[in-house]
Amino acid sequence: AQKITQTQPGMFVQEKEAVTLDCTYDTSDPSYGLFWYKQPSSGEMIFLIYQGSYDQQNATEGRYSLNFQKARKSANLVISASQLGDSAMYFCAMREDNYGQNFVFGPGTRLSVLP
Amino acid sequence: NAGVTQTPKFQVLKTGQSMTLQCAQDMNHNSMYWYRQDPGMGLRLIYYSASEGTTDKGEVPNGYNVSRLNKREFSLRLESAAPSQTSVYFCASSENPPNEQFFGPGTRLTVL
Repeated sequence: AQKITQTQPGMFVQEKEAVTLDCTYDTSDPSYGLFWYKQPSSGEMIFLIYQGSYDQQNATEGRYSLNFQKARKSANLVISASQLGDSAMYFCAMREDNYGQNFVFGPGTRLSVLP
Repeated sequence: NAGVTQTPKFQVLKTGQSMTLQCAQDMNHNSMYWYRQDPGMGLRLIYYSASEGTTDKGEVPNGYNVSRLNKREFSLRLESAAPSQTSVYFCASSENPPNEQFFGPGTRLTVL
């Protein structure tokens, strides 16, 4: 069963606008972590943001914020003030604590920022 | 401070050949991971090691073996390569608990 779903294969956003990348997850583990990574065309994987299942507040890191809705099992990434350099693949991932350090990644969303 | 390094960057094998992918980290992390990434897909975990001396299977371990040589190094071995193992392989490391993973640059492997 798909544990991480990213329903947007591709997204376009105008430079300087905000964009939301969707991620839903499936777990019965009460303790888990959610992650977002960026993969530019150069291929490296870049960590963006982390949200723990028990964290009361939504995580933020600079222009990145994670809209965590636990009851809906969604962990959407919001990028504010998009820049051309934000064009990349974005992956949502989950770690379930009852499964050790077994990370599961979604299929990704390709974001294109238009000038 | 090099972070996570992987060798080689590129490799072409013939079916049935063996090879070892090397990974090293200089961040004193306890946990290390091997992933593969196929076109159009996210990363899939092959094996991980939560500490020196321990290894555990991930989602797609068949056809691979791993060795946690010491705290710094974690190698991935293909004993008899198959075309289905053509992929980009990433090594990563993290502290415990893993609230962030640091990735190496990847190895692009082609099996003919």
